[in-house]
Formats: sequence, structure tokens, C-alpha cells
Amino acid sequence: QSVLTQPPSVSGAPGQRVTISCTGSSSNIGAGYDVHWYQQLPGTAPKVLIYGKSNRPSGVPDRFSDSKSGTSASLAITGLQAEDEADYYCQSYDSSLSGHYVFGTGTKVTVL
Amino acid sequence: QLQLQESGPGLVKPSETLSLTCTVSGGSISSSSGYWGWIRQPPGKGLEWIGSSYYSGSTQYNPSLKSRVTISVDTSRNQFSLRLSSVTAADTAVYYCARHGRPGDSWFDPWGQGTLVTVSS
Repeated sequence: QSVLTQPPSVSGAPGQRVTISCTGSSSNIGAGYDVHWYQQLPGTAPKVLIYGKSNRPSGVPDRFSDSKSGTSASLAITGLQAEDEADYYCQSYDSSLSGHYVFGTGTKVTVL
Repeated sequence: QLQLQESGPGLVKPSETLSLTCTVSGGSISSSSGYWGWIRQPPGKGLEWIGSSYYSGSTQYNPSLKSRVTISVDTSRNQFSLRLSSVTAADTAVYYCARHGRPGDSWFDPWGQGTLVTVSS
């Protein structure tokens, strides 16, 4: 069961900016744990998109950026491209119940 | 670079035990910086962390699955395994293995390609 809430879908035209929110609680994002972001293309395994303190693996364009405030985080995609159409997940750590990893509910990004 | 590959039966009967293995190549599973985890994704749904193990045998499990899950590491084979008991149709999912850092502020990377396990009689 996910404890990080994301919008089911967001969409935008090529070149536009879209944002995906990730809402948690005081035992995960609000407790100061990092939020990481994954991109999952259809039929493939998730790949880390942003990790740690806003780090991008080599090959991930700087069109992808993140932010965090309080019990929420967000991923922004600027200059939206057709290849960005995918599912996106946030992930963090929750200190309750002896500690465990948690994922967001996932957001489908559609390029119009 | 580090690569992970899941293997195991694609079909498991209800009430039986699901068993999967993840083979690690390109690096040692005994690396002091590595924790080894399992994540699953039911068809059309989101990701759920199942649990993780350090090479020493220290484990951490999802509270919602803890009573049914065992994760173990075989350093001699550079593999780690998942056992999920008393499965039902709700356990049908693509199962991924992945590496992560020390529990807390760590992320999962890399991931295996995933293997679909269907629970059905």
C-alpha cells in the first residue's frame, strides 16, 4: 500500500512544463528523508531519474528537476518531449513500523 | 557495470510458496555499500517494496507482508532470494530485484528486468 500520493495523470503539449506532486506525511518526507524519482517506460523496469539531493544520473537531461517542501515533493519536466511519455514514481523512506521504503501511487505523463 | 537478473517459476498455485532468485553480475553481493531488495508491481498498478537484505543476513520487510516474506543472500553464488508464502491471486505481479544503499536516504538502482509471477490454479 502506497503512502505517498501522486496525481494519476498529467498531460501537456510538446515544449510545455508539467509538474507531478508527491504528498507524504511527517514520518517520511516530513521527517526529512530524501525523495527519489523513477521513470518507467511501457514494458520496462523503472529507472532512477533523480536521486538524493536533486542528483541526476548521467544521461538524464536537466529538463527534469525536483523540489521538496514540508511533507511534499514535486518533479518538474520542462520542454516536454514525446519520449517523456511514461509513468513516474516518487520514493522515500518511512520511519514508522521499524522503517520501510515507500513508493508513490504513480503518475502517467501524456504528451498531447 | 552492476546487473541484476530475476529467475523463477512464472506460475504458482494459491496457498503455495513463491520463490525467486536474483543473480548479481558485474560486482560482488558482499559489497559493504550494497543492500539487496525486492519490489513488485501488480499488472496495471504501482510499485510496492517487499523487503531487503544486507549480505550479512540483516533484513528489513514491508510491514504489510512481513509475516509471509523471507529474503536471504547466498554470497557464494552472488545471489539473493525471495520466498513469499501462502500466496493468493493478489500476489500476481511483476517482481523486480534491485540494489540500494544503507536504509534511509537510499534509492533503488540498478533494477533487474522483472519477472511476471501469476498465482493461479
